[in-house]
Order: sequence, then C-alpha cells, then structure tokens
Amino acid sequence: AQSVTQLDSQVPVFEEAPVELRCNYSSSVSVYLFWYVQYPNQGLQLLLKYLSGSTLVKGINGFEAEFNKSQTSFHLRKPSVHISDTAEYFCAVSETGTASKLTFGTGTRLQVTL
Amino acid sequence: DAGVTQSPTHLIKTRGQQVTLRCSPKSGHDTVSWYQQALGQGPQFIFQYYEEEERQRGNFPDRFSGHQFPNYSSELNVNALLLGDSALYLCASSSTTSAETQYFGPGTRLLVL
Repeated sequence: AQSVTQLDSQVPVFEEAPVELRCNYSSSVSVYLFWYVQYPNQGLQLLLKYLSGSTLVKGINGFEAEFNKSQTSFHLRKPSVHISDTAEYFCAVSETGTASKLTFGTGTRLQVTL
Repeated sequence: DAGVTQSPTHLIKTRGQQVTLRCSPKSGHDTVSWYQQALGQGPQFIFQYYEEEERQRGNFPDRFSGHQFPNYSSELNVNALLLGDSALYLCASSSTTSAETQYFGPGTRLLVL
C-alpha cells in the first residue's frame, strides 16, 4: 500500500514570488508520481508526472517537480507565481506497471495575492 | 477531441435513495476509474473498470457498484444513500498504451439530505 503526505494545507504567497509545495510518499514498491491541480468547482488537471528517467520533471504552466528517491519526496516548484495559480494542488502516487489506482494526498491550497 | 465527460453535474438525493452517475471516457481510452472526493479531502479510489469488468476496488462498501459498457462508458451506482455519501464523484480514464496516466472529468457533485 502507498500513502502520500502533503504537510502544508495552505501556502500563501505574493504574486511573482517563488513557491514550493511539499509532497512525501511511502511505498514498499516502485511508484509513479503525479501532481494534479484543481480549480474551484472543477475536476483535476494533470500538471506533471514522473515515470522514469530524469528526476527533474517539467509540466504545464511553468511548474516543475523533482523526484528524490532517498528522501521519498516529489516537491512541486514554480519560480514566479501568478494570481491565476490560486488553486488546490494534489500529489498522487500509483504502483508502476499496469493501470493502477492513484493514492492522493490531502491537498495544498495555494493562495496567490497581490 | 472531447475529454472525459460526466453527467449530471449536480444531484440532490435523500437518505435511503439510489443514484446513478455516468461517465464517458476520453476518446481512445478503454479504462475507467471512479473516485470520491469529500469536502476538503483528496480523492479516494472507489473502483476501476476494464473490458467491462471490475479490475480493482478500493475500501468502499458493496452499496457502491459499477458497470462498463461496450463503448467504454461507465456508470457508478450507489444504493441506500447515507449523508456521508455527499461528495464530488470524479471519473478518470486511461488507455492501455499509456496506462499510468489518468485524465479526470469535471465531476458530479452529490448532496444527500
């Protein structure tokens, strides 16, 4: 079984400032890692994913994440946020191999202000 | 290219009633998964359908059942509704050629009174 911990329930940040959203996971098997974003009253949109290869993954909207196997982390970063980045961000893991269920963290609310 | 679609968008039911939610996967996708997202929580996996059969199931009671049709669309049925079933129900689809990546629909928000 896998589990995901997102330690920060809320992250307030000023526009154009950098941001890091933290994600740690636990698993006894190899995993794929994902970040999804959820805007108010909407479904989940895939931001980026780590399947294999380079540990630095680039996604949409200028976001990137780095897989650190020794620290079992997959933190999400953006060098300069915009008001439109205000949303809920979910980190998720799944077992490698066939289409496996996603296990999500509890989410981090990113609030960008002027 | 249509993405994942779900219907209805909102639904209000009373305790003890039954509900059916519908999902059409993204074009070219053959696997459908359902998730329940309670308010303020991350989505929880309910079950997954492939080739019209339930392939995986999460920790949900038998009141939650599903079906997949030959055109890959899917239904989620919940019987004997409880107040705690109030949530956003999300459908996600994936393809066998890119099985690890799931794409989500907008969800159906269910309120049980």
